[in-house]
Amino acid sequence: LAKTTQPISMDSYEGQEVNITCSHNNIATNDYITWYQQFPSQGPRFIIQGYKTKVTNEVASLFIPADRKSSTLSLPRVSLSDTAVYYCLVGDIESYQKVTFGIGTKLQVIP
Amino acid sequence: NAGVTQTPKFQVLKTGQSMTLQCAQDMNHNSMYWYRQDPGMGLRLIYYSASEGTTDKGEVPNGYNVSRLNKREFSLRLESAAPSQTSVYFCASSVSPLAARTDTQYFGPGTRLTVL
Repeated sequence: LAKTTQPISMDSYEGQEVNITCSHNNIATNDYITWYQQFPSQGPRFIIQGYKTKVTNEVASLFIPADRKSSTLSLPRVSLSDTAVYYCLVGDIESYQKVTFGIGTKLQVIP
Repeated sequence: NAGVTQTPKFQVLKTGQSMTLQCAQDMNHNSMYWYRQDPGMGLRLIYYSASEGTTDKGEVPNGYNVSRLNKREFSLRLESAAPSQTSVYFCASSVSPLAARTDTQYFGPGTRLTVL
């Protein structure tokens, strides 16, 4: 399992774009990068997943540089409802069955 | 389509009591998981079941047992509860398709357990 490092917390004002970066220096060739979101008193929810370059869906964008040693989750124009903990996971199909989420990044959106 | 359901939502036990946390999924997923979440610790994997009929230990299995009753259901049992097992427990499932390179987990709403 690739070790990941992400900021413990971030604050942002409503309407701003938020970028959360995750470092994974020992990412393996077969590893994918996955981000989950967890609201208080709820289970985590899948946001986005990618292998290289850029992935975009209706919720977020994921930017992965060519060396894949880091990735950035981008949330456009955040609102108060985006206040949550965001987890970065790195692994392949086998390691995902033994994944540990870590403490994630607690994003607080301020009015 | 309910997704992943867990019962009960809340439970208070006395030290030494036993109980079973129930989890069911209706998405025809192959793999199921049990996690615990403690303040400042993130989610830690207790046990997982890669497919019906198989179970394996995760990071923190001591004090727990699991049963993959069928493809839909995966239960977690505490035989003799201890205060250290006070936590929020999440069940999850994933497709784990054959020959796939990656996977995605779907989580239940959690069970908040307090052991006195």
